[in-house]
Amino acid sequence: KNEVEQSPQNLTAQEGEFITINCSYSVGISALHWLQQHPGGGIVSLFMLSSGKKKHGRLIATINIQEKHSSLHITASHPRDSAVYICAVEGYGGATNKLIFGTGTLLAVQP
Amino acid sequence: DTAVSQTPKYLVTQMGNDKSIKCEQNLGHDTMYWYKQDSKKFLKIMFSYNNKELIINETVPNRFSPKSPDKAHLNLHINSLELGDSAVYFCASSLAWGSYEQYFGPGTRLTVT
Repeated sequence: KNEVEQSPQNLTAQEGEFITINCSYSVGISALHWLQQHPGGGIVSLFMLSSGKKKHGRLIATINIQEKHSSLHITASHPRDSAVYICAVEGYGGATNKLIFGTGTLLAVQP
Repeated sequence: DTAVSQTPKYLVTQMGNDKSIKCEQNLGHDTMYWYKQDSKKFLKIMFSYNNKELIINETVPNRFSPKSPDKAHLNLHINSLELGDSAVYFCASSLAWGSYEQYFGPGTRLTVT
């Protein structure tokens, strides 16, 4: 079992829909990262958070440390949001800066 | 202005050869990383350097040797390439050691035939 699990693995949505991607982890963490990998292969950092909630444009990320769970929400989804969304966690001490990745969620937003 | 750049973007080579991938960041960051993304698109850390010092070496075969000539550069040299080394290799950087956002390069697709 991976230390970082994402669900769903694949998600197809219609343009305008509200989307939620979930991430659960089994280790103690100092931070959690959400990344976006475009169809062309490039990886972009969306959020890094260690508590609460962050918002950037139509994207919202939340984390519940006690439940070891994070969600990434996309409001008013658009075809340009189609990408792989990857959750990654980093631990404490010697595990700081060592990202452990989930397997990703492939999102396709249809017009 | 590219923040994290890698060269080459594509690399096709035969088994047994030695090859290098170069990475440069112009962000003034102290910490740099190498990641491997396998054929199933799973990412895994290989190495991390902070201020030119190797901090993380994640059970990578010693055929892989990173080198950081200065804080802005982290190169990856691979000896005696094997078929299983075929993957996309990503370089990344972050401001300093600790929990900071990471900035990724465009990746180098290595194909070993």
